[in-house]
Amino acid sequence: EVQLVQSGAEVKKPGESLKISCKGSGYSFATYWIGWVRQMPGKGLEWMGIIYPGDSDTRYSPSFQGQVTISADKSISTAYLQWSSLKASDTAMYYCARGYDSSGYLYSYYMDVWGKGTTVTVSS
Amino acid sequence: QSVLTQPPSASGTPGQRVTISCSGSSSNIGTNTVNWYQQLPGTAPKLLIYDNNQRPSGVPDRFSGSKSGTSASLAISGLQSGDEVDYFCAAWDDSLNGYVFGTGTKVTVL
Repeated sequence: EVQLVQSGAEVKKPGESLKISCKGSGYSFATYWIGWVRQMPGKGLEWMGIIYPGDSDTRYSPSFQGQVTISADKSISTAYLQWSSLKASDTAMYYCARGYDSSGYLYSYYMDVWGKGTTVTVSS
Repeated sequence: QSVLTQPPSASGTPGQRVTISCSGSSSNIGTNTVNWYQQLPGTAPKLLIYDNNQRPSGVPDRFSGSKSGTSASLAISGLQSGDEVDYFCAAWDDSLNGYVFGTGTKVTVL
């Protein structure tokens, strides 16, 4: 069974750093994109960025460029999303999802398998 | 703010057909394929339609997608109470060099 298992809920203070994880299983982790999506309380979905674990090619949404870092370790089939200095506005649910693209240029990209999400709460 | 616009809500009675629109531009829907996601309360989104009109295995054929120009639509036929959840369209945007989601539509079964 293809699945993505995300790390547990986090409660942090403003200014602290954080790294959450997403472990894939049941498929060839290196040959699919992994994307991260933010959902703030009561709001819609926001695409943050993606990484191709095979060669670490990484793309960021302009809204999140410089705010977070996406990485992956294909040897342990795990992708990461990290912050160096959290803000209260980072409080949200974060989902990872497997990305597939048949075009090779991302114009037919979609996210077909999702993790259950990691809740991040940032509060003083 | 999202570059893909959806109506905030849509509604219908059981058994009816409901359509949700998704309006974009030449840099996203006009050029690239459209996908639709369904999200039940408190759960992760689920892929409902990919490549404009393809259903993943397990998705009922009551759900169908279409695209024309810079707009796309999701149709739900034979509306059921379990369809009363949120729906999001999405597509790659060449100008932003990123994936964009629609604003989301909540379906209500009257």
